[in-house]
Amino acid sequence: EVQLVESGGGLVQPGRSMKLSCAASGFTFSDYYMAWVRQAPKKGLEWVASISYEGSSTYYGDSVKGRFTISRDNAKSTLYLQMNSLRSEDTATYYCARNWYFDFWGPGTMVTVSS
Amino acid sequence: IQLTQSPSLLSASVGDRVTLSCKGSQNINNYLAWYQQKLGEAPKLLIYNTNSLQTGIPSRFSGSGSGTDYTLTISSLQPEDVATYFCYQYNNGWTFGGGTKLELK
Repeated sequence: EVQLVESGGGLVQPGRSMKLSCAASGFTFSDYYMAWVRQAPKKGLEWVASISYEGSSTYYGDSVKGRFTISRDNAKSTLYLQMNSLRSEDTATYYCARNWYFDFWGPGTMVTVSS
Repeated sequence: IQLTQSPSLLSASVGDRVTLSCKGSQNINNYLAWYQQKLGEAPKLLIYNTNSLQTGIPSRFSGSGSGTDYTLTISSLQPEDVATYFCYQYNNGWTFGGGTKLELK
């Protein structure tokens, strides 16, 4: 059974950093592109970043480019999102998702940026 | 590519045939997916590549379209279909539509 479980969310002050993790199981992690998608409270979905199979290629949405870094450890079947210079508008539930078209999602982890 | 979903809110009765629209600002080349999100849950993939039904999704859900215009159809609305539906394109970058909230009349 495919499982994705995010962790690392919580309350953080503006300007600070936070790192999210997504533990994958039930499939060969290195066979898939992976991504982070977020959803601000009561808002729609926003693609954040994607990473290729071995991590050699990364892609970012305009709102996070230069502040967030997506990475992966295929030996640990784990996806990461390093978030720097956090802003209040980064407050959202962050989901990790598998594949180009997000066929499986984790339950999400909430990130609140507030002083 | 911008995606515009319509309507933003749809009220329908059990058994109705329901059609949701998603329009792109450019050609999407059929790289279009649909998700269902129930309150408090993660989104669930329904349809990918315009008309491919994800494993385990009921056959009352179907997708169609081409170019810039795409449609999700529920052939006979069930109470458990109450949710918000999002379209998503992965032809040129990655973009979600704003969503259609589906409620029971």
